Amino acid sequence: DIQMTQSPSSLSASVGDRLTITCRASQSISKYLNWYQQKPGRAPKLLIYAASTLQSGVPSRFSASGSGTDFTLTISSLQPEDFATYYCQQSSSPEYTFGQGTKLEIK
Amino acid sequence: EVQLVESGGGLVKPGGSLRLSCTASGFVFSSYSFNWVRQAPGKGLEWVSSISTGSDYIYYADSVKGRFTVSRDNAKKSLYLQMNSLRAEDTAVYYCARDIVVVVDGTRTQYPDYWGQGTLVTVSS
Repeated sequence: DIQMTQSPSSLSASVGDRLTITCRASQSISKYLNWYQQKPGRAPKLLIYAASTLQSGVPSRFSASGSGTDFTLTISSLQPEDFATYYCQQSSSPEYTFGQGTKLEIK
Repeated sequence: EVQLVESGGGLVKPGGSLRLSCTASGFVFSSYSFNWVRQAPGKGLEWVSSISTGSDYIYYADSVKGRFTVSRDNAKKSLYLQMNSLRAEDTAVYYCARDIVVVVDGTRTQYPDYWGQGTLVTVSS
């Protein structure tokens, strides 16, 4: 199975900050990498697919890049509604796998 | 509007069985593959199983292989997960998620786009 490792596991930040979350795959997954946001008690919401394509309706302060094994998700200017947990997910193999999540908290 | 509604969760004893359902609306159900993804309390997301449009491709996580069975009824626009020999570690919110296929820069890719609200399965004596 392809293992996905996110860092950091948690992060404290302030409104207006710029931050980056990293996701690493245990083997090359080309650009088959997706990012989700999850708020407590809610289903995950798709933010980014194919490593860098913004899902319709997602604010442009979210961006992502990467290919192969190393990927990043960047939020350019944090808004109050962005405090949530973020997951990367690979779709290179039929057996999908997720990163362990990065919990973003208010400083 | 795309909607996925899970049902069938509840409290079951270890070794017991449960059948989850996911009913879809707002899109052509038969044109999409689907996944089951679970989340144990306070934990991250774990992919459980997937099924293709015609049920010809089915995959399971090692943690549920041989115990869980995924199926679908395109006429009823419904997805199912039959869970047998349940264990305490199967306790989780179970989500159904639709897979979408798109072409980006000439490359076909597939990923879950819409998710249901989830149904809680608790395995406890």
